[in-house]
Amino acid sequence: QVQLQESGPGLVKPSETLSLTCTVSGGSISGYYWTWIRQPPGKGLEWIGYVYSSGSTNYNPSLKSRVTISVDTSKSQFSLKLSSVTAADTAVYYCARGEQNPGGYYFDYWGQGAQVTISS
Amino acid sequence: QSVLTQPPSASGTPGQRVTISCSGSSSNIGSNSVNWYQQLPGTAPKLLIYNNNKRPSGVPDRFSGSKSGTSASLAISGLQSEDEADYYCTTWDDSLNGPVFGGGAKLTVL
Repeated sequence: QVQLQESGPGLVKPSETLSLTCTVSGGSISGYYWTWIRQPPGKGLEWIGYVYSSGSTNYNPSLKSRVTISVDTSKSQFSLKLSSVTAADTAVYYCARGEQNPGGYYFDYWGQGAQVTISS
Repeated sequence: QSVLTQPPSASGTPGQRVTISCSGSSSNIGSNSVNWYQQLPGTAPKLLIYNNNKRPSGVPDRFSGSKSGTSASLAISGLQSEDEADYYCTTWDDSLNGPVFGGGAKLTVL
């Protein structure tokens, strides 16, 4: 059974860089779109971006200037860096596995989520 | 403001059939398949329906999905108290070149 687990600081100061890592276990990291999604308090889900197992990336245009997502296949991990954070970036951050088949694209496995608060 | 439009809430009594709608446009639902996620309180979203109408292993057949044109629907039959959750639709958007979500619908079992 594939499992994903987020890790990283729960508190980040404004203007600094938020860094999270997702560790994948129980399955191969190859051939999938490794994705970050966030959910501000009391709000809906927002796609941040993904890194394919080959290293190619795709980011939400609204966050593109501040986001970097990378993958380390040797460690079965992928990471998120979000720079110049503000209080508006306070959210639960989820990592997820993106699967693409001829029928479509969907997230079939999710991490439990990491609460990140932006505050001085 | 979400790209996909869902009603903010839905409700039903145990045993009833409830539907949740999801409206989009030609660049998203109109040209791509729709997926649905269930988010129980305090937990991560869980894939409920993928490729418009397919259920992952373990999802009861009380849950079904459909799509027509630029809209999609999630139907839950034989409503149970444990179905009380937030439900999100999502699909790929060709203009954004990425996935987009609905704002979520909170289902209350009365």
